[in-house]
Amino acid sequence: GQQLNQSPQSMFIQEGEDVSMNCTSSSIFNTWLWYKQDPGEGPVLLIALYKAGELTSNGRLTAQFGITRKDSFLNISASIPSDVGIYFCAGNDMRFGAGTRLTVKP
Amino acid sequence: NAGVMQNPRHLVRRRGQEARLRCSPMKGHSHVYWYRQLPEEGLKFMVYLQKENIIDESGMPKERFSAEFPKEGPSILRIQQVVRGDSAAYFCASSPSRGGETQYFGPGTRLLVL
Repeated sequence: GQQLNQSPQSMFIQEGEDVSMNCTSSSIFNTWLWYKQDPGEGPVLLIALYKAGELTSNGRLTAQFGITRKDSFLNISASIPSDVGIYFCAGNDMRFGAGTRLTVKP
Repeated sequence: NAGVMQNPRHLVRRRGQEARLRCSPMKGHSHVYWYRQLPEEGLKFMVYLQKENIIDESGMPKERFSAEFPKEGPSILRIQQVVRGDSAAYFCASSPSRGGETQYFGPGTRLLVL
């Protein structure tokens, strides 16, 4: 099956710093999805990407669909404490990456 | 404007008992997905269903686990003869169709097997 690699596995940053995480796939995707999961909750959709090269923003979040269609990245600018959580990527096969665990120190 | 609903939110079972987890998709969604999440781990795909059909069960354990999505009523994930290793959070997601449509997740059912 498809391999979805997400990195980094975890990040510890200071409030106000920018964050970047990415996902790569062994196969081509038509869709990239980014989710955030707060402790004890289900994942919530942050950004959906449907076209190679597409760059989409949602507030302080920006995500891009790689032109090879095998990768995507998510950036968070000026992080705040409530950005803490696990960030997952997923492709159109509905399989998820292992997640990036983000800790933000005030 | 209800989202995806799952119940119970928490379920405690003793080894050997059965666990039934329910998922009601968002209104208008006919596709349901089940995922399992162990503590400190990611979401593992289990099964994808449409109404009355199992489309992809490649992530389901071969024994003791089954899923259904009947014409009427919620989708059910059933675990027979539970073991301690079944303790996890089980999430359901729904989408209006497949092929790139985004999924919306429920709050999950946390199963604890004693």
